[in-house]
Amino acid sequence: DVKVTQSSRYLVKRTGEKVFLECVQDMDHENMFWYRQDPGLGLRLIYFSYDVKMKEKGDIPEGYSVSREKKERFSLILESASTNQTSMYLCASSSATGFGDTEAFFGQGTRLTVV
Amino acid sequence: AQSVTQPDIHITVSEGASLELRCNYSYGATPYLFWYVQSPGQGLQLLLKYFSGDTLVQGIKGFEAEFKRSQSSFNLRKPSVHWSDAAEYFCAGGGYNKLIFGAGTRLAVHP
Repeated sequence: DVKVTQSSRYLVKRTGEKVFLECVQDMDHENMFWYRQDPGLGLRLIYFSYDVKMKEKGDIPEGYSVSREKKERFSLILESASTNQTSMYLCASSSATGFGDTEAFFGQGTRLTVV
Repeated sequence: AQSVTQPDIHITVSEGASLELRCNYSYGATPYLFWYVQSPGQGLQLLLKYFSGDTLVQGIKGFEAEFKRSQSSFNLRKPSVHWSDAAEYFCAGGGYNKLIFGAGTRLAVHP
């Protein structure tokens, strides 16, 4: 069974902390994604990576960075957490075709609360 | 710019009633289109996808969707809703190596 695993289901962090969200996939997928989900806004792409050490900004990259040192692992970093980053964060992976025609597999999400 | 719109934020139906969730897309060419479902506290699961060919696509859990180029729509349907279908539904379009999501439609099912 294919799997995308996010390291935490729930996190509570303080304003100003550096926060790491980890994601691991076991499908040997080239592409990995971080989305943010907020009510009424759907899923918004923060960053994605199409290869090890490669990354591209999504629609809302401000305040975030990412790291992909190994193919199976994609980390989202909040450099200095703020209350407006309280949200559900979803990691996904897909195989790469360049045409957007492949299914994305999602983790269960990390609900982050910044206080 | 590519975009996906779901006009309905919330929909409530009675168990056993039919369901249609709307999705409109704005793409330059024929897009790759997907419907995902998210049950409470869970990640997203693919219901069905459209790439080309037959415009009526069958998916899992008894769902189907119809691609209508003239209306730029890809609406999701189910003939008889079950209480377990209560969830949030997302329409998405495939861009270069990534998906663009609509805002989602939350479905409530009354017994």
